[in-house]
Amino acid sequence: SQTIHQWPATLVQPVGSPLSLECTVEGTSNPNLYWYRQAAGRGLQLLFYSVGIGQISSEVPQNLSASRPQDRQFILSSKKLLLSDSGFYLCAWSGISLDTQYFGPGTRLTVL
Amino acid sequence: KNEVEQSPQNLTAQEGEFITINCSYSVGISALHWLQQHPGGGIVSLFMLSSGKKKHGRLIATINIQEKHSSLHITASHPRDSAVYICALTGNQFYFGTGTSLTVIP
Repeated sequence: SQTIHQWPATLVQPVGSPLSLECTVEGTSNPNLYWYRQAAGRGLQLLFYSVGIGQISSEVPQNLSASRPQDRQFILSSKKLLLSDSGFYLCAWSGISLDTQYFGPGTRLTVL
Repeated sequence: KNEVEQSPQNLTAQEGEFITINCSYSVGISALHWLQQHPGGGIVSLFMLSSGKKKHGRLIATINIQEKHSSLHITASHPRDSAVYICALTGNQFYFGTGTSLTVIP
């Protein structure tokens, strides 16, 4: 069966510090991978998606970046965090078509 | 105007009540999803619909493509149903509603 992992589960970082959130998927090959952010009281916002290794599409301009160094690994990064980067970050995967997405447990990021 | 509108935003029900959450959308879609987000933040996909109706246990989801409307029904609601329910669309891109926060009181 397929599983999706995210870490860390929670993170408190000062403004201006770097960020690296990791997401890995097990039990499937060549998944579509997604990073979402959910700010307090707001809906899910798609940040990045990837259809393959090294292929990243950005949905919104921001100070975040994503990388996919391996087929089942998706990393969300920032060189300098902003206060507005606080939120709940979710990684998800789906099959080749835009079908059901399966979400990871999420990382709650607080930038102080 | 948001592409996806959910109603109500918040809902409190007594255990055993029949619950309906609505989702209206304004874009062309290939599928509509109902997601459940637990208090800890984890999200589970409940249904993916492109037409008609689906049932899983006490949950029923319907979609009317012509009217661009979907409903999620919960029969015999239980406190463990308390969660945020999110309507999501897949078309040219993904669209997400802001969710309906459901609290079921024992």
